[in-house]
Amino acid sequence: AQTVTQSQPEMSVQEAETVTLSCTYDTSENNYYLFWYKQPPSRQMILVIRQEAYKQQNATENRFSVNFQKAAKSFSLKISDSQLGDTAMYFCAFMSGTSYGKLTFGQGTILTVHP
Amino acid sequence: GAVVSQHPSWVICKSGTSVKIECRSLDFQATTMFWYRQFPKQSLMLMATSNEGSKATYEQGVEKDKFLINHASLTLSTLTVTSAHPEDSSFYICSARLGTSGQETQYFGPGTRLLVL
Repeated sequence: AQTVTQSQPEMSVQEAETVTLSCTYDTSENNYYLFWYKQPPSRQMILVIRQEAYKQQNATENRFSVNFQKAAKSFSLKISDSQLGDTAMYFCAFMSGTSYGKLTFGQGTILTVHP
Repeated sequence: GAVVSQHPSWVICKSGTSVKIECRSLDFQATTMFWYRQFPKQSLMLMATSNEGSKATYEQGVEKDKFLINHASLTLSTLTVTSAHPEDSSFYICSARLGTSGQETQYFGPGTRLLVL
């Protein structure tokens, strides 16, 4: 079974600065997807970024980028130029290529952006 | 982007009554939908996988007779909490799988807050 670990229960950052959230996973599969979801106080889960395991290039979405280290099974999220609206709980998630869409979530990291 | 709606967003009911929650994929067809339960400041706990036209698959420890799931069409799945009790009070979230080749992703509804008195 796959496991996803987020070792940082809480993080904080000053507005406009950069922060990196950590995520490691364990799998014996070669075909899979990795995701970062954001859950703001409204509790709506929002897809931040996704990465296909077969792609070597790290995914980027505006201020959000990942550092995908397949051999190390690491998938960290970097948020640049942090904004107050980035305050949320962030979840790292794993999807096997054979799981028909089923996600395995990490424990989550609460990120607070301070003005 | 893919949009998933969930209704109602907030429900209060008396102990012993049943509550139905609807999950709809608005702009795509979803052969698979998922139902989660979440406690404050915790991760999402998968309850069941809902497949269109077939029986739902429940995770270990989830009572299928308690949490009835129906996936009658490619855009609608429902979760019915039967004979609800205060311990069923929680935040329930659905998601829909967009399984387009190369774009495999789950999109989430806004959630339903259930309070059982």
